[in-house]
Amino acid sequence: DVKVTQSSRYLVKRTGEKVFLECVQDMDHENMFWYRQDPGLGLRLIYFSYDVKMKEKGDIPEGYSVSREKKERFSLILESASTNQTSMYLCASSLSGTGDMNTEAFFGQGTRLTVV
Amino acid sequence: AQTVTQSQPEMSVQEAETVTLSCTYDTSENNYYLFWYKQPPSRQMILVIRQEAYKQQNATENRFSVNFQKAAKSFSLKISDSQLGDTAMYFCAFMAYNTDKLIFGTGTRLQVFP
Repeated sequence: DVKVTQSSRYLVKRTGEKVFLECVQDMDHENMFWYRQDPGLGLRLIYFSYDVKMKEKGDIPEGYSVSREKKERFSLILESASTNQTSMYLCASSLSGTGDMNTEAFFGQGTRLTVV
Repeated sequence: AQTVTQSQPEMSVQEAETVTLSCTYDTSENNYYLFWYKQPPSRQMILVIRQEAYKQQNATENRFSVNFQKAAKSFSLKISDSQLGDTAMYFCAFMAYNTDKLIFGTGTRLQVFP
């Protein structure tokens, strides 16, 4: 059974803290993604990684950074958390390249982050 | 840039009935995939159905089928014989052939009631 695991389901952090959200996949996927989910806005891509140490900005990268030192792990970092970063964060992974088998993205259960 | 629009924030349907969720998209690409993802209250997002743009035949997966109208850039999801377990957020998504990135709509919350 394929798995994408996010380290926490709920987090409460204080404004200004450095926050790490961790994601691990066991499917040997090349691609990993971080999305932010907000009511009425759907899922918005924060960052995308297509290989170890490779990353690409998504639609809303401001205030975030990422790290991918190993293929199976993709970390999202909030350098200085702010209240407007209170949200649900979803990690996903997929195989690289076109073809039906490669298009499906697998998601973690999400981390609900509250910044107070 | 591609955009995906879901104009129905909420829908409801009675068990065993049929419901259709709407999705439109905008793109200048000719080759792409379209998807419907389901996010139940447990939050794990799962793929429901996918469609390749070059395939004229509408995709079906058991009780789930799509109506893909490429010229109109429309991609609706039909759920037949609705079940209580279909209660979830449903997201329409787009992926161009030359990228592995999914672009999502804002979602439709579907409630199936007995």
